[in-house]
Amino acid sequence: DAGVIQSPRHEVTEMGQEVTLRCKPISGHDYLFWYRQTMMRGLELLIYFNNNVPIDDSGMPEDRFSAKMPNASFSTLKIQPSEPRDSAVYFCASSGANTIYFGEGSWLTVV
Amino acid sequence: ELKVEQNPLFLSMQEGKNYTIYCNYSTTSDRLYWYRQDPGKSLESLFVLLSNGAVKQEGRLMASLDTKARLSTLHITAAVHDLSATYFCAVVTGKLIFGQGTTLQVKP
Repeated sequence: DAGVIQSPRHEVTEMGQEVTLRCKPISGHDYLFWYRQTMMRGLELLIYFNNNVPIDDSGMPEDRFSAKMPNASFSTLKIQPSEPRDSAVYFCASSGANTIYFGEGSWLTVV
Repeated sequence: ELKVEQNPLFLSMQEGKNYTIYCNYSTTSDRLYWYRQDPGKSLESLFVLLSNGAVKQEGRLMASLDTKARLSTLHITAAVHDLSATYFCAVVTGKLIFGQGTTLQVKP
């Protein structure tokens, strides 16, 4: 199994631009999580899905953030418009049974 | 709201010494995870603890869970430099909530 696959791995973008982060979960996993990690705030849960349905998006910081999971093998996290304070590492994780695996992360810098 | 607190947040120790990292959480949970993160890397799963009294060991690391006390411990035995990393506990109550992380530095 290839594990949780995220893209892009690194992105540098200008303030105001739209950013789309992508995640392919492990096949057969029914939960998908999006996290943001910064030095100041640690690991924050943004949103999670169960069987492609958003269950809890209370961690999404504001309306500029949106996430979708159109099918069991793909999810996106979109930031529009991006701001410098969105600079962070964004992790996607998927879960099946009692295992939760993380992708390698998408390192976002907004200048 | 579920809160997960680790202590200490930073730990500097000599090789060969033993130490314990503590993870307290505020509400009932049926699963607790321990992860390791190296600088610039993703999170690597270490242990999954599923029931009260569960104990798991891998090499120099041993994790335990006391659901009544809402406490998990990660015990390090005879630390070596390769164990230097940040260790997170995470608790499931529907969603997976992480502690702040404990940065471990093992000095020769």
